[in-house]
Amino acid sequence: DGGITQSPKYLFRKEGQNVTLSCEQNLNHDAMYWYRQDPGQGLRLIYYSQIVNDFQKGDIAEGYSVSREKKESFPLTVTSAQKNPTAFYLCASSLTTGYYEQYFGPGTRLTVT
Amino acid sequence: AQKVTQAQTEISVVEKEDVTLDCVYETRDTTYYLFWYKQPPSGELVFLIRRNSFDEQNEISGRYSWNFQKSTSSFNFTITASQVVDSAVYFCALSEAGGDSSYKLIFGSGTRLLVRP
Repeated sequence: DGGITQSPKYLFRKEGQNVTLSCEQNLNHDAMYWYRQDPGQGLRLIYYSQIVNDFQKGDIAEGYSVSREKKESFPLTVTSAQKNPTAFYLCASSLTTGYYEQYFGPGTRLTVT
Repeated sequence: AQKVTQAQTEISVVEKEDVTLDCVYETRDTTYYLFWYKQPPSGELVFLIRRNSFDEQNEISGRYSWNFQKSTSSFNFTITASQVVDSAVYFCALSEAGGDSSYKLIFGSGTRLLVRP
């Protein structure tokens, strides 16, 4: 089945540690995205990538980093510089041309204490 | 600036009632796309519909229908004969063109729908 996988579903870390969230897609999509969702709020864009080895900052990139070495993979690192890292993180992908809808993975709920 | 407003934070209805979720948007683009997504308790966003700015025809898909009106910058979503399984958070989104030929989605804050048996 084609889709987007994110692992793990739940992640716990101590404050001051970097943590990397995984996102893999087998939809053959060129574009991939990372969003952050806080309770009762909409989605905010962290980073996006239109093509391998290239990515752009979204609206809230501070304290996060990404890489795009393969078309299928777009891992997100939450660094210790991110002041409020506890949130629900969603990865998405889409075709770069065409109808533009994004397809989402199941999300990773990160808790930092 | 591009903006999507979903003024209804939470709606509660009894099963079989019809319910309309409102979405109002702001954009300076002449070509744009509007979307609705459903987020059930599991957390994953499910794509429901896409509409481009040149197509103002209403759309119906089973119990779901969408009313797009450019004159009022609205893209409302109606569920007919609601069911408990419709309980979820619903997001409206607007495409925003980036300067590098990329695009981004601007999401509203969502409307939580609770359908009671």
